Amino acid sequence: QSVLTQPPSVSAAPGQTVTMSCAGTASNIGSRSVSWYQQLPGTAPKLLIYDNNKRPSGIPDRFSGSKSGTSATLGITGLQTGDEADYYCGAWDKCLSNAVFGGGTKLTVL
Amino acid sequence: QVTLRESGPAVVKPTRSLTLTCTFSGFSLTTSGMCVNWIRQPPGKALEWLARIDWDEDKYYTTSLMTRLSISKDTSRNQVVLTMTNMDPVDTATYYCARVSGGVPGDRSSFDYWGQGILVTVSS
Repeated sequence: QSVLTQPPSVSAAPGQTVTMSCAGTASNIGSRSVSWYQQLPGTAPKLLIYDNNKRPSGIPDRFSGSKSGTSATLGITGLQTGDEADYYCGAWDKCLSNAVFGGGTKLTVL
Repeated sequence: QVTLRESGPAVVKPTRSLTLTCTFSGFSLTTSGMCVNWIRQPPGKALEWLARIDWDEDKYYTTSLMTRLSISKDTSRNQVVLTMTNMDPVDTATYYCARVSGGVPGDRSSFDYWGQGILVTVSS
């Protein structure tokens, strides 16, 4: 049972826009920054978004992040078949003094 | 160029201890704000954060496994070691080490570089 809650799956057609949510509590998302990770099949996760909405160097601006209250959202525009992956949100939980993750959302590009 | 690489046994017997080593390059764990974490992922399941060690020797452990985990660092060798005791088949997973660089105190959880991971199977 993951501390952060993500929908198990989302899907959209190539070229479309998709959003996926990450729900937390006041002790994590509500008071700490959110990161998002992309995990392609058989590979290690890769940082996509940090500090709620910042992109590391090399991450295209098709990927965006936002946060409101105790929830966060990852958006992907201009979907490509290469975007098919599992996406995880993460944050620090100040009460647990632990990093916490969501259960992951599997993106299917139809 | 930042790299991290996990090493250790591929198979561990139940009740035995697991020792994993993360060897890194491209940064120093003596630099303020640097942290190395261990994260695992059972086959087909979600990521689970395990432990973190900071440049200043602070250590953090996941609440559910705290009594079984120990993390340490050897800055001269650029290595971080994770030990997990009393291994069980449910601990079968790919274990990753990952870096956190910077961030504000109390909010260091953005993992910017990851190792490739090592699959550890617990089986007799």
